This record gives sequence, C-alpha cells and structure tokens, in this order.
Amino acid sequence: DAKTTQPPSMDCAEGRAANLPCNHSTISGNEYVYWYRQIHSQGPQYIIHGLKNNETNEMASLIITEDRKSSTLILPHATLRDTAVYYCIVRPLTGGGNKLTFGTGTQLKVEL
Amino acid sequence: GAVVSQHPSWVICKSGTSVKIECRSLDFQATTMFWYRQFPKQSLMLMATSNEGSKATYEQGVEKDKFLINHASLTLSTLTVTSAHPEDSSFYICSASLLSGANVLTFGAGSRLTVL
Repeated sequence: DAKTTQPPSMDCAEGRAANLPCNHSTISGNEYVYWYRQIHSQGPQYIIHGLKNNETNEMASLIITEDRKSSTLILPHATLRDTAVYYCIVRPLTGGGNKLTFGTGTQLKVEL
Repeated sequence: GAVVSQHPSWVICKSGTSVKIECRSLDFQATTMFWYRQFPKQSLMLMATSNEGSKATYEQGVEKDKFLINHASLTLSTLTVTSAHPEDSSFYICSASLLSGANVLTFGAGSRLTVL
C-alpha cells in the first residue's frame, strides 16, 4: 500500500464541519483512497472510499484533488461521537490480499 | 450489513496459559479473515491472514507457533495465544471482507487480553 501522511491531531467544535486532510503523493493509478475511523477501544469502522471523483454517503464526504495526490474527509456536522482516530489508506480495489495497512492516523477531538 | 463478532471482548489470564479468541462473520461468508494487534496509543498492526481450509499467512516477525490461527469454516476464525506472557497483553482485532467488489473490510469490536 502506498504511504499516506496525516496530521497527528485536530480539534473541531461540535456542529461544525471537520475537514481531515491526507497526502498520498505516490498514489498509483489503480489505487483508491479509503477512510476508516476507530473510536477508542473499538474496532475500526469503514467510512468511505473513492478513486478520483468526489464521493458522499450518509457519514461523510470525500474530496480528492484532480491530481489525486491528496484528499480531504469532511464530516459536515461533527458531534462528540465523531471523536476518533481517522485513518486514510490507499490501496487497489482488488488484489493485495484485501489486507489493510494502517498508518498513525489523525486523532480528531470534537468538543463542545 | 456485514457484521463481524468477536468473543470474548476481554479476557484476563495467568502467565503461561493459552487463550482462544473467536471471530465470526454473522451474516456473510468469509474465505479470508485478518487478525490485527494494537498496543496502547499505537496503530493497528496486521499479524496474519487467515485462510479458510488452509494455513494462515503470518506477517514478518509474528511467531506462528505462538499465535495459532484456525479457519475451519467460512464463518469462523480463531486466534489462540499460546503460553501467554505479559508482553502479549494487547487489543486483538479481527476483520473480514464481504467481497462485494468494494474491497471494504468489516472489523470486530476487538478483544482485550491482559496477561498477569
């Protein structure tokens, strides 16, 4: 899996949008950008993934730059329950044995 | 949606004993499951890939004789920590893929092992 770079921590006020950046300058043409999060003492949870177009689901939006070297995960209205470590991972849609390699992620703290 | 269940959620054992952790895919079949380990304030580290009906594939540095993995059915994989020692105390997490084409992994809630 290609390497990603994320800020170690971010703070966000409850109700505001949380924008989590990720750099993946060495991403290959067949690699997608995946986001997972891990709430303290729980297993990771899938959030969203995309190739080059922006994606949106009930949890978040994913904005990928045109050159695909970076992306931003947007939680439109952060709540206290969104406090978690967010992992940005790039990997192919198929192949690679399906396994995920986690980096250090971004600790998002949502506060009142 | 895909659900992965782990049991037990936490376990305390004495040094030298063995502990078995179960990972079940509740509403789908998983030919492959993954076992991760996470120490406090660290990220998840992949330990091994569990393959139904065949031997597990271990990551470099993970002792296969210490961490026994059995994947006897399409819905169950087990991790046995043999002769556990305090340094094996960790958060163990399993995951499986629904293979829907999106290459998304579903994770269990994790099992916290404390070895006294």
